[in-house]
Amino acid sequence: AQRVTQPEKLLSVFKGAPVELKCNYSYSGSPELFWYVQYSRQRLQLLLRHISRESIKGFTADLNKGETSFHLKKPFAQEEDSAMYYCALGLNSGGYQKVTFGIGTKLQVIP
Amino acid sequence: DGGITQSPKYLFRKEGQNVTLSCEQNLNHDAMYWYRQDPGQGLRLIYYSQIVNDFQKGDIAEGYSVSREKKESFPLTVTSAQKNPTAFYLCASSMAQPGANVLTFGAGSRLTVL
Repeated sequence: AQRVTQPEKLLSVFKGAPVELKCNYSYSGSPELFWYVQYSRQRLQLLLRHISRESIKGFTADLNKGETSFHLKKPFAQEEDSAMYYCALGLNSGGYQKVTFGIGTKLQVIP
Repeated sequence: DGGITQSPKYLFRKEGQNVTLSCEQNLNHDAMYWYRQDPGQGLRLIYYSQIVNDFQKGDIAEGYSVSREKKESFPLTVTSAQKNPTAFYLCASSMAQPGANVLTFGAGSRLTVL
């Protein structure tokens, strides 16, 4: 069965420090990986997806199929990055598009 | 203003009562989803639907039911059989195409069982 693992429930970093939010997945097929973010009092929204290979708000994530990982990184954390981050796995299950989420990591950027 | 509308935002229910949460979208998306969000457990999939009159059980479907009579609407009923219904419920939609699994979320409905 597919699974998404985010090992850290809380990650605290100082402003200006590098950030790495870890995500590992288990899926035998070709995965679609995503990072979603939920800022305080806002809706859950897409941050980035591995297909796009783009940088959003300074964040990047590289799909490593060998290590089955999709870690989210940013070289210099900013206070406005404080939020809840969810890694998600999209797959085709019996012809249906299904999206499974990890438990989430709360990022706290300390001024 | 395109998007997903969930109602009500807050709902209180007595034990033993069924309650229905509304989810409407005007994005012309084929796929719709219901998730339950609990602290420390992330988002868990309850039900999902790709076309009208068809839906699939997710990982925690017990005690819940859905219908998909219209493309725009995917209501969720929390039945009295759900043992721990107090939670935050999120509805989402997407284009039902491989490589297009990007979800758009509603604002959520918080259900409290008294």
